[in-house]
Amino acid sequence: KAGVTQTPRYLIKTRGQQVTLSCSPISGHRSVSWYQQTPGQGLQFLFEYFSETQRNKGNFPGRFSGRQFSNSRSEMNVSTLELGDSALYLCASSPGGTGPYEQYFGPGTRLTVT
Amino acid sequence: GQQVMQIPQYQHVQEGEDFTTYCNSSTTLSNIQWYKQRPGGHPVFLIQLVKSGEVKKQKRLTFQFGEAKKNSSLHITATQTTDVGTYFCAGRAQAAGNKLTFGGGTRVLVKP
Repeated sequence: KAGVTQTPRYLIKTRGQQVTLSCSPISGHRSVSWYQQTPGQGLQFLFEYFSETQRNKGNFPGRFSGRQFSNSRSEMNVSTLELGDSALYLCASSPGGTGPYEQYFGPGTRLTVT
Repeated sequence: GQQVMQIPQYQHVQEGEDFTTYCNSSTTLSNIQWYKQRPGGHPVFLIQLVKSGEVKKQKRLTFQFGEAKKNSSLHITATQTTDVGTYFCAGRAQAAGNKLTFGGGTRVLVKP
């Protein structure tokens, strides 16, 4: 099975712009989670989607949003970018449902805001 | 909100030696997972513990879940250079809406 894919892998944006990141989960996985990873804050949970519904949300401002499509692919959007949004954005998929499933991470999108 | 703390933040280990990294949660966990992230890579799932007091082994790695399900540990014996990376614990708590909360990680550096 192909792993989790994320596009683009690298992105440079300027303050005030918006960005959309994409994640394709492992085939058959219905849950997609997004995380922000920075050297100072570690891995911070953004949100989790399951069957097109947001199931959980982390403590991020409303500038961060996401969605999931019927084929389980997911996108996250960050509007009005700030310098502090520079980070590695990781997407993880799991089979979903109610079990304590492990997360399969993608390679991440490295976002740099200048 | 739920907090998961890991200590130490950094671990310098001589090749061949043992070490332990600890994970502590502010709330009772329903389960805990451990991940390893190599430099420049992404987190890779290692193991999951669900039961109180559970102990699992993977070759030189031993994982333990505390009796109160609020702490966990990872013990590595005879450290090798391939053990280099950052080890994260991540826990789910019903009290926190079952979000997977990651600890800050323990970055392991191995001296040959």
